[in-house]
Amino acid sequence: QKEVEQDPGPLSVPEGAIVSLNCTYSNSAFQYFMWYRQYSRKGPELLMYTYSSGNKEDGRFTAQVDKSSKYISLFIRDSQPSDSATYLCAATDNYGQNFVFGPGTRLSVLP
Amino acid sequence: NAGVTQTPKFQVLKTGQSMTLQCAQDMNHEYMSWYRQDPGMGLRLIHYSVGAGITDQGEVPNGYNVSRSTTEDFPLRLLSAAPSQTSVYFCASSYHLGGRTDTQYFGPGTRLTVL
Repeated sequence: QKEVEQDPGPLSVPEGAIVSLNCTYSNSAFQYFMWYRQYSRKGPELLMYTYSSGNKEDGRFTAQVDKSSKYISLFIRDSQPSDSATYLCAATDNYGQNFVFGPGTRLSVLP
Repeated sequence: NAGVTQTPKFQVLKTGQSMTLQCAQDMNHEYMSWYRQDPGMGLRLIHYSVGAGITDQGEVPNGYNVSRSTTEDFPLRLLSAAPSQTSVYFCASSYHLGGRTDTQYFGPGTRLTVL
């Protein structure tokens, strides 16, 4: 079992929809959680970065972490075709020397 | 800043050949790492370094060597290429302050095919 699990999709939604992307993890030592966006044939770029449990909002994006259930979520409001990409969740412990990534969810937002 | 740069962008090797993938960053980051990305597997850590002269193994280190002689550069060497090493390779870097690594910035990747 991988330490970070993620539904690979693909997920297709109409423009303007609210998108919910989710990951689960198994390592209780994970304290820092990240979401990366990766466009086709590009390197991942950081979207959101949260510590421990709670919510963090940045524009149309909201990240949620529930450490009691080991569940990580990313919500995208008013989704746009430019949001079409693969979304990777990642986690690391307090020392951050070993980042563990989920396999990614491929999202398509249809005009 | 150029950020994290990787060369080459594409490479085709024959089984048994060796080569070096180059990675450089101009952000004065202490931490640098190499990942491979395969379909359905996500990013898997190969090797990482927390500073010049310090390297350590990640999840999938076999068949790869690294060294870190400067803060800026972190080359990845394939000793004897195998078809199982066909993948997309990403280099990443981040600050590493107080013994803790901050979030990582990724390069554009190198697509490697081993025949």
